[in-house]
Amino acid sequence: GQNIDQPTEMTATEGAIVQINCTYQTSGFNGLFWYQQHAGEAPTFLSYNVLDGLEEKGRFSSFLSRSKGYSYLLLKELQMKDSASYLCAVLSNDYKLSFGAGTTVTVRA
Amino acid sequence: DGGITQSPKYLFRKEGQNVTLSCEQNLNHDAMYWYRQDPGQGLRLIYYSQIVNDFQKGDIAEGYSVSREKKESFPLTVTSAQKNPTAFYLCASSPSTVQETQYFGPGTRLLVL
Repeated sequence: GQNIDQPTEMTATEGAIVQINCTYQTSGFNGLFWYQQHAGEAPTFLSYNVLDGLEEKGRFSSFLSRSKGYSYLLLKELQMKDSASYLCAVLSNDYKLSFGAGTTVTVRA
Repeated sequence: DGGITQSPKYLFRKEGQNVTLSCEQNLNHDAMYWYRQDPGQGLRLIYYSQIVNDFQKGDIAEGYSVSREKKESFPLTVTSAQKNPTAFYLCASSPSTVQETQYFGPGTRLLVL
């Protein structure tokens, strides 16, 4: 089976930086995705990593280490609108996405 | 505008009733998916389809059925055999199933009366 772990909740102050970790154990690996989901809405795509290293996209960056089964999503210059759930998902050998339970980030003024 | 639509936004089901959730996409994507989301849990795959007239069971297919008669449409039926149907249902699509980003519809919240 697939096992994807991420923290349940994180709180940070507006303007700060938050790092959301994700560890995974899956049957094969074909890439790792991060999605943002506001309450009651659809997940929206943030990033995709398939090779080791850091991918930067504006205020959001995502890092992957395949040997460690580890990824993180870095949110910089936090804004109130960044309060949401962040989902880590791994594409396994059968090309199905397995999701972690999500990390709820609360940004405080 | 290109995108994925789901209807209705809220759906109420009575005991013993089958209900069908609609999912339509005009992105010309080959692959479509249905997920179920429960509080405190990750999205779980119900069914997926890689091409018209073909679909496969996901991890929690029992009590659900699907069809894929047209490329743009992938309706999900929640049957009376699904004993705990209350959840947020999300439909997604991707150009193909191989290393492609999935894009999600707005979701349907199903509640049991």
